[in-house]
Amino acid sequence: GENVEQHPSTLSVQEGDSAVIKCTYSDSASNYFPWYKQELGKGPQLIIDIRSNVGEKKDQRIAVTLNKTAKHFSLHITETQPEDSAVYFCAASRGRNNNDMRFGAGTRLTVKP
Amino acid sequence: NAGVMQNPRHLVRRRGQEARLRCSPMKGHSHVYWYRQLPEEGLKFMVYLQKENIIDESGMPKERFSAEFPKEGPSILRIQQVVRGDSAAYFCASSPILAGTSTSTDTQYFGPGTRLTVL
Repeated sequence: GENVEQHPSTLSVQEGDSAVIKCTYSDSASNYFPWYKQELGKGPQLIIDIRSNVGEKKDQRIAVTLNKTAKHFSLHITETQPEDSAVYFCAASRGRNNNDMRFGAGTRLTVKP
Repeated sequence: NAGVMQNPRHLVRRRGQEARLRCSPMKGHSHVYWYRQLPEEGLKFMVYLQKENIIDESGMPKERFSAEFPKEGPSILRIQQVVRGDSAAYFCASSPILAGTSTSTDTQYFGPGTRLTVL
């Protein structure tokens, strides 16, 4: 089955700096890669996703890149703000009826004002 | 459009009691997934259901755990004879269907979770 590894486990940046979180996956058939943000006491919230037919996707301060050959994908947050502080999870699946979606262990991002 | 709803948000049970967790998917979604999250860990898949069908329960312990998603009403995750190790946050997610098919799309939307504490 799919195995997703996520690094780093914790990340601390100064407000305004960029943050990068990286994930690798094992199943070459995976073609859907979402990122979730989880704030304390809440459920994971989808913030961006990418499918294997594109290499990069941007949404304001958030971008995700995908390298299918190397089987890794990354989340980039620019101009970080204190409200970006949360735990971020990557995931990978083959898509549709994706009971095979597997999550990384999470990255705790702290943005210092 | 209301999001995925779960209740209760917090549940306290003594060892040996039963826990019932409920999940109402987003309107129009008929695919439901249950995950368990231990403190400081990621989400672990438990079970995938469509209306009246369990599609994949490979992540759910064989004993004491069961799930259902009836034709009417919410999906239920049931844990019998709870033990301290069952203490965790349990999240439900739902997916919409691809138009004209019975296949779910790839995107999952999560509820706020139920935090189960076993004393």
